[in-house]
Amino acid sequence: GAVVSQHPSRVICKSGTSVKIECRSLDFQATTMFWYRQFPKQSLMLMATSNEGSKATYEQGVEKDKFLINHASLTLSTLTVTSAHPEDSSFYICSARKDSLNYGYTFGSGTRLTVV
Amino acid sequence: GENVEQHPSTLSVQEGDSAVIKCTYSDSASNYFPWYKQELGKRPQLIIDIRSNVGEKKDQRIAVTLNKTAKHFSLHITETQPEDSAVYFCAASTGSQGNLIFGKGTKLSVKP
Repeated sequence: GAVVSQHPSRVICKSGTSVKIECRSLDFQATTMFWYRQFPKQSLMLMATSNEGSKATYEQGVEKDKFLINHASLTLSTLTVTSAHPEDSSFYICSARKDSLNYGYTFGSGTRLTVV
Repeated sequence: GENVEQHPSTLSVQEGDSAVIKCTYSDSASNYFPWYKQELGKRPQLIIDIRSNVGEKKDQRIAVTLNKTAKHFSLHITETQPEDSAVYFCAASTGSQGNLIFGKGTKLSVKP
């Protein structure tokens, strides 16, 4: 079945630095990838949708210059949190979908980001 | 955009009882409604889903019903077991754009 690998699983960084999170579809080509953020005891909030080879579409309230998304290939999307602050500490999860006719969404294992 | 409301936020049942979680959605174009179970610090796990051309779907102890007219769908878990304890999320998406929007979640506790 569809497998999505997400790395790193945990990362601690200092305020002001940048962190890159990778999301890879291992056995299928993902035309669309989604990035979510989940704060403790809260729901998954969609941050942005990325399509291979085009600019990501960001949800309202999500700063595109702070959360850089690159979807350069059909199997890899990256989220870079730039100039991280403690309030960016959260659980980030990616999801990939094979095509617009396939309703299945496959989730990565998530990345726990702690900014100190 | 789509808005998904989920109730209740917490639910406590005795082992063997049934549990029902309800969700409503706002976008009439939504046509795919999955339910996820999430354990602490883990990825959401799909437990059942339903498409808009179906009114009900069942998989062993789990069932989902969909009322397109009223724009609501529900998760039913029968004969609950302690291992069913987790946070459950409903979600909705449209086929075209495909954004999957989640409800706020329900923390289910099944007491032995």
